Amino acid sequence: NAGVTQTPKFRVLKTGQSMTLLCAQDMNHEYMYWYRQDPGMGLRLIHYSVGEGTTAKGEVPDGYNVSRLKKQNFLLGLESAAPSQTSVYFCASSGTSGRNNEQFFGPGTRLTVL
Amino acid sequence: LAKTTQPISMDSYEGQEVNITCSHNNIATNDYITWYQQFPSQGPRFIIQGYKTKVTNEVASLFIPADRKSSTLSLPRVSLSDTAVYYCLVGDRGSQGNLIFGKGTKLSVKP
Repeated sequence: NAGVTQTPKFRVLKTGQSMTLLCAQDMNHEYMYWYRQDPGMGLRLIHYSVGEGTTAKGEVPDGYNVSRLKKQNFLLGLESAAPSQTSVYFCASSGTSGRNNEQFFGPGTRLTVL
Repeated sequence: LAKTTQPISMDSYEGQEVNITCSHNNIATNDYITWYQQFPSQGPRFIIQGYKTKVTNEVASLFIPADRKSSTLSLPRVSLSDTAVYYCLVGDRGSQGNLIFGKGTKLSVKP
């Protein structure tokens, strides 16, 4: 099993450009999440999904959109990138069985917005 | 959700036991206490979880007093490779979209 994978690993954007980050999981998990991590700030939840076709806002959703058209994929979109969105983005997934609150994380995407 | 408070940083030396305490005064009856570990340039990974008393696995021990208002992660005989950020989280199974990682505790292990 590959677990949770993220594409791309690195990306540099100019202000105003758009892009989509892809997260895929092969564990048949119901829940998926997008976090951002900035230096000294810990992880902050952007959006999450409790199942295919559903999404919900997290702590810092502004400037981002998400879609969960397939159970195994969770997409994070930036319509008009801003320098404040320079960060490391982590995707995670978790299931309804097994340990409470055990999330499996991807390797991260480092995004720089110039 | 119960808010957690943990030290920002800790220093230790190789071979020592490290204890990181997390406060969660408003923990609810159905909440579990979960600890994650994050190495530089990697995503966090689950290390241990408990509800009450003591839990031990191959990596760490978790001590939870009877009132459950705090918990202590214990790492026996740390090595340089235990240098990481450790996060304490509190929530029940329905908290999936509301878990707060916070800033964690940055543990630095020195030779």
